[in-house]
Amino acid sequence: NAGVTQTPKFQVLKTGQSMTLQCAQDMNHEYMSWYRQDPGMGLRLIHYSVGAGITDQGEVPNGYNVSRSTTEDFPLRLLSAAPSQTSVYFCASKEATAEHGYTFGSGTRLTVV
Amino acid sequence: ELKVEQNPLFLSMQEGKNYTIYCNYSTTSDRLYWYRQDPGKSLESLFVLLSNGAVKQEGRLMASLDTKARLSTLHITAAVHDLSATYFCAVDVGTYKYIFGTGTRLKVLA
Repeated sequence: NAGVTQTPKFQVLKTGQSMTLQCAQDMNHEYMSWYRQDPGMGLRLIHYSVGAGITDQGEVPNGYNVSRSTTEDFPLRLLSAAPSQTSVYFCASKEATAEHGYTFGSGTRLTVV
Repeated sequence: ELKVEQNPLFLSMQEGKNYTIYCNYSTTSDRLYWYRQDPGKSLESLFVLLSNGAVKQEGRLMASLDTKARLSTLHITAAVHDLSATYFCAVDVGTYKYIFGTGTRLKVLA
């Protein structure tokens, strides 16, 4: 199993550009989440999903869209990139049991100039 | 406003010493998770705490949960350099929606 795969690993965008961060998991996990990590602020939840077709907002959803058309994929879309969205983005997935926490991808480092 | 606060934020300690990292949270929850992150890497699951009074131990690390006090601790015994990392707690606030603490950056000095 590949686990949680995020692409790309690095990206530089210009202000105003849009892009999609890809996330795929091959563990048949129902739950998936997107976090951003900024220095001194820990990880903040952007959006999460409890299954295909169901998404909900997290702590910092503004400027981001998500969809979950399949169990495997949970892409994160930046609609119009801003320098404040420069961050490291982590996707994570988990099965529907409390005994195991989220499994994280390797992250995407995004810079908006 | 939901808060998950860790302290200290930074911890520099000598090898062989003991110390405790604290995680306080402001909502009702009996599910708390600890993660480790090495510089430039992803997060690795350390402990899963699912009830009041839960205690888990792995090597030199021991985690506990007091749901009534809304407090979890991560205790480090006889620290070694390999434990240098950033440690995060995360609270399940419902339906596997995790809110993370700010992290504690631990540096163990030889």
